[in-house]
Amino acid sequence: NAGVMQNPRHLVRRRGQEARLRCSPMKGHSHVYWYRQLPEEGLKFMVYLQKENIIDESGMPKERFSAEFPKEGPSILRIQQVVRGDSAAYFCASSPTQDSTGELFFGEGSRLTVL
Amino acid sequence: QKEVEQNSGPLSVPEGAIASLNCTYSDRGSQSFFWYRQYSGKSPELIMFIYSNGDKEDGRFTAQLNKASQYVSLLIRDSQPSDSATYLCAVNAGDMRFGAGTRLTVKP
Repeated sequence: NAGVMQNPRHLVRRRGQEARLRCSPMKGHSHVYWYRQLPEEGLKFMVYLQKENIIDESGMPKERFSAEFPKEGPSILRIQQVVRGDSAAYFCASSPTQDSTGELFFGEGSRLTVL
Repeated sequence: QKEVEQNSGPLSVPEGAIASLNCTYSDRGSQSFFWYRQYSGKSPELIMFIYSNGDKEDGRFTAQLNKASQYVSLLIRDSQPSDSATYLCAVNAGDMRFGAGTRLTVKP
């Protein structure tokens, strides 16, 4: 039973390029979270999605960032016109339901470096 | 705003001692509480969860929850060097929010 799969594991982009990070949740999980983690810091909530719905995007910067979780395929976190400050580890986590007692299962993270 | 606050750390304890990690949260509607451990360069992994007021023990780990005080803690007994990591408190009130983490170092 595969866990949460994130790719790419490492991504290097130049300033102004686009970064696309993908997350396939665990089988049977319909809820996905994205978090950003800067070096030596905690996990900062970005967005919470259900299939075809954004539940909460209050942690997402208003510009350049978007996320989706289509009916088929992985969840995508898209960063347009990247800047150096976007360099971070981006973690995806999934849960089976919106049940507030549920734990999250994390992927290995995607590490973005902006040159 | 859903805030989760943790001791800034770093916390250093000698091997065999008790490590105490604390966390407070702002949303009174929070229903479930989690402690994750994260080794450097790795993804977080769940250590314990607690839903009800009181203590919950699992091996060397004890989670304590006080909903009236909006406080949750993690005690690690007989700390080992392998416990050295960052410990993240997480609170679920409809979505999961994390604290900034407390870095624990257990010295041999």
